[in-house]
Amino acid sequence: AQSVTQLDSQVPVFEEAPVELRCNYSSSVSVYLFWYVQYPNQGLQLLLKYLSGSTLVKGINGFEAEFNKSQTSFHLRKPSVHISDTAEYFCAVRLIQGAQKLVFGQGTRLTINP
Amino acid sequence: EAGVAQSPRYKIIEKRQSVAFWCNPISGHATLYWYQQILGQGPKLLIQFQNNGVVDDSQLPKDRFSAERLKGVDSTLKIQPAKLEDSAVYLCASRKSGATYNEQFFGPGTRLTVL
Repeated sequence: AQSVTQLDSQVPVFEEAPVELRCNYSSSVSVYLFWYVQYPNQGLQLLLKYLSGSTLVKGINGFEAEFNKSQTSFHLRKPSVHISDTAEYFCAVRLIQGAQKLVFGQGTRLTINP
Repeated sequence: EAGVAQSPRYKIIEKRQSVAFWCNPISGHATLYWYQQILGQGPKLLIQFQNNGVVDDSQLPKDRFSAERLKGVDSTLKIQPAKLEDSAVYLCASRKSGATYNEQFFGPGTRLTVL
């Protein structure tokens, strides 16, 4: 079975500073990798995804993530954050073959301070 | 294109009462999911439908939870009777079928509070 660990439950950052949200996963077979964002009282929105190819993927709102197969990691980064980035961020995996359900990490709450 | 619709958005009930949630997926999306998101945790899949058939309900507490997707479009999720630990946000998602990868689109969720 797959599992996802988000290493930080909360990350406070000052506005315009860089940020990294960490994600490690476990799976015995190949997976797709995702980052979702959840704003208060809203559903999940896809930020970016890794399916294949280049290990550096770019998403919406200036976010990017790097897939590292040897370290089974998929960390999310942004070089300069804004107040509007305050939200909950979820890392998720899905099997490439077979079951198409998403398995989520527990989430990281990103708080941007002015 | 309209997104995934869910209702109600909020529901407060007493324990041992019954409750039902409704989901209308994006038009043409054959696959529909219900997730449970407990406060401070990531969403957990409860049940997955392909058209009106169940693909995966391994994590659905079947003694109290039930779900159906009549005619392969709208879906309802029911809890009877509710327990305090059922307090959570219930998210519905849908996706197209066919390709190896199609994005899942999520609705806004229904926040359930069980007192």
